Amino acid sequence: DIQMTQSPSSLSASVGDRVTITCQASQDISKYLNWYQQKPGKAPKLLIYDASKLETGVPSRFSGSGSGTDFTFSISSLQPEDIATYYCQQYDSFGGGTKVEIK
Amino acid sequence: EVQLVESGGGLVQPGRSLRLSCAASGFTFDDYAMQWVRQAPGKGLEWVSGISWNSGSIGYADSVKGRFTISRDNAKNSLYLQMNSLRAEDTALYYCAKARSRPVIVDDAFDIWGQGTMVTVSS
Repeated sequence: DIQMTQSPSSLSASVGDRVTITCQASQDISKYLNWYQQKPGKAPKLLIYDASKLETGVPSRFSGSGSGTDFTFSISSLQPEDIATYYCQQYDSFGGGTKVEIK
Repeated sequence: EVQLVESGGGLVQPGRSLRLSCAASGFTFDDYAMQWVRQAPGKGLEWVSGISWNSGSIGYADSVKGRFTISRDNAKNSLYLQMNSLRAEDTALYYCAKARSRPVIVDDAFDIWGQGTMVTVSS
């Protein structure tokens, strides 16, 4: 089974900061890595699929990169509405999540 | 409007059974694989099970294999999860989710999620 290791588990940043989250797969998963945003009390929302493709309607400040085993998710300029927990996913395996807070 | 609505959750005693349902609307249901994903209170997301468009391919997490059964009825645009021999560790919010682009259960994102139905296993 493929394991997804996500870091950090939490972070605090100021509005306007660039935020970066990493996700490492236990084996080569090519480009098949997705990123979700989950706000409290809400269902997860797909932001990025196939490592770097922006889902329709998602703001361009969100981006993803990587292939193989190492992947990165970024928010170019953190906004108050971005406060949430973010998860990486490779089909049947989710990362542990990163809780993003405002400093 | 594309929508998934789960139902069937509740409080159940350990060892008992429960059947969850997910009603889909706003898209061609039998064009896509479907999944169940759960989230224990205060915890992260855990994939539970997936089913291909024609039920020809099915997968389960090791934690539920042999106890849970996923199924779908394309004529009714519905997805199901039969949960038997429930344990306290099955307590979670259960989401159904649509595969983004593929009819089979491989390497796909989940682009539409329901609001979830809560399952509590306790005596």
